[in-house]
Amino acid sequence: EPEVTQTPSHQVTQMGQEVILRCVPISNHLYFYWYRQILGQKVEFLVSFYNNEISEKSEIFDDQFSVERPDGSNFTLKIRSTKLEDSAMYFCASRLQGFDNEKLFFGSGTQLSVL
Amino acid sequence: GENVEQHPSTLSVQEGDSAVIKCTYSDSASNYFPWYKQELGKRPQLIIDIRSNVGEKKDQRIAVTLNKTAKHFSLHITETQPEDSAVYFCAASMGSGNTPLVFGKGTRLSVIA
Repeated sequence: EPEVTQTPSHQVTQMGQEVILRCVPISNHLYFYWYRQILGQKVEFLVSFYNNEISEKSEIFDDQFSVERPDGSNFTLKIRSTKLEDSAMYFCASRLQGFDNEKLFFGSGTQLSVL
Repeated sequence: GENVEQHPSTLSVQEGDSAVIKCTYSDSASNYFPWYKQELGKRPQLIIDIRSNVGEKKDQRIAVTLNKTAKHFSLHITETQPEDSAVYFCAASMGSGNTPLVFGKGTRLSVIA
């Protein structure tokens, strides 16, 4: 089965530094998402991306966050000035378009630790 | 926006017994309800899903029921095995790509051998 891939698997950074988390969605998928999961808590929606633009974002996704699809395959999440509370597992996900294609495929995640 | 409540937060069962996890949702427009299993340090994996035009769906030992009127849905696992031990998340969405999945807080299931 095709997979969403994410790099790196672990990222350690100092508070205030910028980080870029990278994702390669499944090749024929059209909707892309970032979710995060603080240790022991639920999976929280950050942002969805379709047709080269943000389609929806949560209140967590403030001006510090940005997403980009720089080429035909990569989908990135940038955090400009990391804070301690940004420490979490970040999951990228993708899906096909249309009814009967609601299944969301998750990547294996990037564990971000902000020190 | 959508709000999904899930309970219990933890559940321990003896191997071979059944486990039931319940969720409620707030947005009557939601029409897609997946269940994910997450093992420690791993990605969420879809185990079963149901759409609002169906009241029940079964896949081997796993079943999901949906009550649209009451806005709740449940996961049933029969003949539980130790490898069923994980955190289970319910979720809801309107199914269109622009509407994200909203997750419940999860249930930690422990199956005791």
